[in-house]
Amino acid sequence: GESVGLHLPTLSVQEGDNSIINCAYSNSASDYFIWYKQESGKGPQFIIDIRSNMDKRQGQRVTVLLNKTVKHLSLQIAATQPGDSAVYFCAEGHRSSNTGKLIFGQGTTLQVKP
Amino acid sequence: SQTIHQWPATLVQPVGSPLSLECTVEGTSNPNLYWYRQAAGRGLQLLFYSVGIGQISSEVPQNLSASRPQDRQFILSSKKLLLSDSGFYLCAWRESGSGANVLTFGAGSRLTVL
Repeated sequence: GESVGLHLPTLSVQEGDNSIINCAYSNSASDYFIWYKQESGKGPQFIIDIRSNMDKRQGQRVTVLLNKTVKHLSLQIAATQPGDSAVYFCAEGHRSSNTGKLIFGQGTTLQVKP
Repeated sequence: SQTIHQWPATLVQPVGSPLSLECTVEGTSNPNLYWYRQAAGRGLQLLFYSVGIGQISSEVPQNLSASRPQDRQFILSSKKLLLSDSGFYLCAWRESGSGANVLTFGAGSRLTVL
């Protein structure tokens, strides 16, 4: 079936380094993608989103890149901080859908070493 | 501003007992509502969604049911819990209609079935 998946289950980086979290999706009809951050024991929090008519979108210290040719999504975090330690999920959806359903990947754990 | 509440936050139940998890949203009208389940170390699986009062769509066959008795209230239930029902249950909402599908999640309810 169709799914959203992540390449690496755990990513360990040094504080101050840049982090790159990858995601592969298989539904070519998806036109909207979101990254969420989930801290231990809490609900996921929205980080950044991107529509399929864009290749790149930047936020505060975060950048999302979308490569529709290979169905790949990435989240780049600049100058990673200890507070960035969490599980990161990508999700895909359809902007024209009235249901608003999102399909989530399995998640990548980001560990920031001091 | 809109807020979403889930309760109880944690729950330990014996196998075969009933379940009721509640979710309410404040500060909005006619939201789309969602129940997701997250098994330990896994991604989020969509269980149910609702686009209006009394309208429930089930995504996966299971031992659970959902109801929406009021516009901003979403309830997840079971008549007899199974061990496999253990997990972290997340309620989410978004504005109704099509468009960008950012879901806002509650803090979650952790269910342990013994």
